[in-house]
Amino acid sequence: EVQLLQSGAEVKKPGESLKISCKVSGYGFANYWIAWMRQMPGKGLEWMAIIYPGDSDTRYSPSFQGQVTISADKSINTAYLQWSSLKASDTAIYYCAREKDGTKAFDMWGQGTMVTVSS
Amino acid sequence: DIQMTQSPSTLSASVGDIVTITCRASQSISDWLAWYQQKPGAAPKLLIYKASILDRGVPSRFSGRGSGTEFALTIYRLQPDDFATYYCQHFNSYSGGPFGQGTKVDIK
Repeated sequence: EVQLLQSGAEVKKPGESLKISCKVSGYGFANYWIAWMRQMPGKGLEWMAIIYPGDSDTRYSPSFQGQVTISADKSINTAYLQWSSLKASDTAIYYCAREKDGTKAFDMWGQGTMVTVSS
Repeated sequence: DIQMTQSPSTLSASVGDIVTITCRASQSISDWLAWYQQKPGAAPKLLIYKASILDRGVPSRFSGRGSGTEFALTIYRLQPDDFATYYCQHFNSYSGGPFGQGTKVDIK
């Protein structure tokens, strides 16, 4: 069974750093693109970044380039999203999702990680 | 950058209705268009990819069509489980993966 299990909710202060994770099981992690999406409270979905764990090829939405870093560790089948300095506007639910092979669609999603940034 | 525009933003309907949501791309995206359903407190669920192909397990009352810049998702015989928010998305690893703004289908 394919599963994407995300790390738990986080409460941080502005300026703090954070790394959230997405642990994958049930398929060949290295062979599928993994993306991160953001959903701010009461708002729609936004695509942030994507990585191909096999060779760590990464792409970023212009809106998020320089704001976050996506990475992956093939040895533990885990993708990451990290911030070096959080802002209150980073408060959102973050989802990881797997691209369904060659379809340009995301068929498997993590359960979401709620990140709250507040002083 | 490619922009995706969905309409309407909200749609009120009754069980048994046929509802259609439209999605327009700012430039041609061939048939690289996906539709997702999201319920409150849950992750999105893939319904349709490549504009018209139902993902595994998706009921046949969902139907997608379109190519180029104009796309539509139709739900035939709306069921209580279908009241949710729907998003279109075009993903391309070189240009990104913009979503439409979402369409909330609620009970009339």
